Amino acid sequence: GAGVSQSPSNKVTEKGKDVELRCDPISGHTALYWYRQSLGQGLEFLIYFQGNSAPDKSGLPSDRFSAERTGGSVSTLTIQRTQQEDSAVYLCASSLLTSGGPKNIQYFGAGTRLSVL
Amino acid sequence: KQEVTQIPAALSVPEGENLVLNCSFTDSAIYNLQWFRQDPGKGLTSLLLIQSSQREQTSGRLNASLDKSSGRSTLYIAASQPGDSATYLCAVNTGNQFYFGTGTSLTVIP
Repeated sequence: GAGVSQSPSNKVTEKGKDVELRCDPISGHTALYWYRQSLGQGLEFLIYFQGNSAPDKSGLPSDRFSAERTGGSVSTLTIQRTQQEDSAVYLCASSLLTSGGPKNIQYFGAGTRLSVL
Repeated sequence: KQEVTQIPAALSVPEGENLVLNCSFTDSAIYNLQWFRQDPGKGLTSLLLIQSSQREQTSGRLNASLDKSSGRSTLYIAASQPGDSATYLCAVNTGNQFYFGTGTSLTVIP
């Protein structure tokens, strides 16, 4: 596609429910990142995928959070047993290369705004 | 751990004024630094990317500088316009990860 696509754009859920957030990166981009942006906070790194390598999960805040990337393209971030503190905007980004280089520009989706009641 | 700080947190200027946004980082071992713009309810849009070997990058009315040894970058916006109103974020790339500042919220008053 022309850009990074995220769905849904907004999600309201009840505490304790599971949610799935989807990211469709730019075609051909090998690297995919998930971030969380809480109100008044900077972007918090969650997880990173590069090609077929094992993902870097070092930013996931708890074992309730997981993500997968199927076929090296679409990614799904799953939050189990949601808590109110999970309320935030979840942003996905993709880039052409994994490490620093002339083309390592991150392209972001519009995000999913998650509200846990 | 890399820490990125942006000053000021908020800035309000009259239209036409030139302005400077600041970004500092604690670990100079970076590959590159990127400036983004974020509009309310939207994702991030990349403005400029500076490689660690570069001193500055220019795009239109925007000029970004990088002093890696001192851990600083500035974003200069010339002749500001109301359409420049947004939150500006800087991010440093250390390989696999990007570290973001909390942003500067800019308001340009017509």
